[in-house]
Amino acid sequence: AQTVTQSQPEMSVQEAETVTLSCTYDTSESNYYLFWYKQPPSRQMILVIRQEAYKQQNATENRFSVNFQKAAKSFSLKISDSQLGDTAMYFCAFMKPSQGGSEKLVFGKGTKLTVNP
Amino acid sequence: KAGVTQTPRYLIKTRGQQVTLSCSPISGHRSVSWYQQTPGQGLQFLFEYFSETQRNKGNFPGRFSGRQFSNSRSEMNVSTLELGDSALYLCASSRGQGFNEAFFGQGTRLTVV
Repeated sequence: AQTVTQSQPEMSVQEAETVTLSCTYDTSESNYYLFWYKQPPSRQMILVIRQEAYKQQNATENRFSVNFQKAAKSFSLKISDSQLGDTAMYFCAFMKPSQGGSEKLVFGKGTKLTVNP
Repeated sequence: KAGVTQTPRYLIKTRGQQVTLSCSPISGHRSVSWYQQTPGQGLQFLFEYFSETQRNKGNFPGRFSGRQFSNSRSEMNVSTLELGDSALYLCASSRGQGFNEAFFGQGTRLTVV
């Protein structure tokens, strides 16, 4: 079974600075997807960024980028120019394509990020 | 377009009762997944429905069940509620074919007393 580990329960960063959230995963699959989701106090899970395992290029979405190391099974999220609105729980998630197309996300325990003014 | 809608937002139930939660997916989405979120266990997959059929199931007891209607709306039911069922229940919808982004609702906060 796949597992996702986020080793940093809490982190804080000053506004406008850069922060990196860590995630490692365990799988024997070669084809899969990785995601970072953000859950603000409103509780709604919002997709921040995704990475297909077959792509060597790291995904980037505006201020958010990932460092995907497939051999090391590592998938970290870098947030540049941190903003107060980035304060939230961040979850790393894994999904493998399955026969029949079933989509099941396996989540890490989350990292609570606080951006300080 | 409208997002994923979950009702009700909050519920308080007594041990032994049963509860039904509802999820209306984004228009055009045929897959609905349910997740349980607790402080201790984090986010855990309950089940996924696609075109009215359960396509995948997590490791939860049979007290947890679900169904999907022809309009893709889904319900999950928990019978004989236990204190440990207190959680945030999240629903996610996607197109369901090929790789697609899952969009989440705001969840239903269930408290069992």
